[in-house]
Amino acid sequence: QVDLLQSGAEVRKPGASVKVSCQTSGHTFTKYYIHWVRQAPGQGLEWMGIINPNTGGASYAQRFQGRVTMTSDTSTITLYMELSSLQSDDTATYFCARVSSWYGPMDFWGQGTLVTVSS
Amino acid sequence: DIQMTQSPSSLSASVGDRVTITCRASQSIGRYLNWYQHKPGTAPKLLIYGASSLQSGAPSRFSGIASGTDFTLTISSLQPEDFAIYYCQQSYSAPWTFGQGTTVDIK
Repeated sequence: QVDLLQSGAEVRKPGASVKVSCQTSGHTFTKYYIHWVRQAPGQGLEWMGIINPNTGGASYAQRFQGRVTMTSDTSTITLYMELSSLQSDDTATYFCARVSSWYGPMDFWGQGTLVTVSS
Repeated sequence: DIQMTQSPSSLSASVGDRVTITCRASQSIGRYLNWYQHKPGTAPKLLIYGASSLQSGAPSRFSGIASGTDFTLTISSLQPEDFAIYYCQQSYSAPWTFGQGTTVDIK
């Protein structure tokens, strides 16, 4: 069955970077795009960006432009989301989610990765 | 950016109640509207896509309708496992945006 397995919780200091992984299984890696969505404590869901695992092409939310990089590794069927210059308000649970078309619904989600930014 | 406005932000209901949540888009999005259920500490689940199509595996008590830029999620008979936060999301154009969420809790 389809599974998106994310890496474990991370703690970073302000100014540092974090790289979260999302390993897929149960579907053809190159046929599904992957979104990254985050949820800060007590807040709603916030879209960060989307990547085409086949081409590596990505589109990012403007507020993260210059600070986020989404990549894919077809050899390990893993997607990555790296966020730099972390601040305390980046403390959140980060989710990956797949879609079968660029404008399709997010039908499977990873379990989430908690990133805590604290000095 | 397309703004998605959900109402109410929270509601209290009893098991067996009919529950309705609405979502309004700031501009036309066709039927590119999806509904998700999210329980704390778990992954969100897709319930409804394309405004009214029930996702495989989602219970039939969930339904969605569209009227212009207004969208409605209905739970016909609330069950104990339905207490959660519900989000609408537009997938019409980037940046993809979510509503602020509706918390459904026990009355």
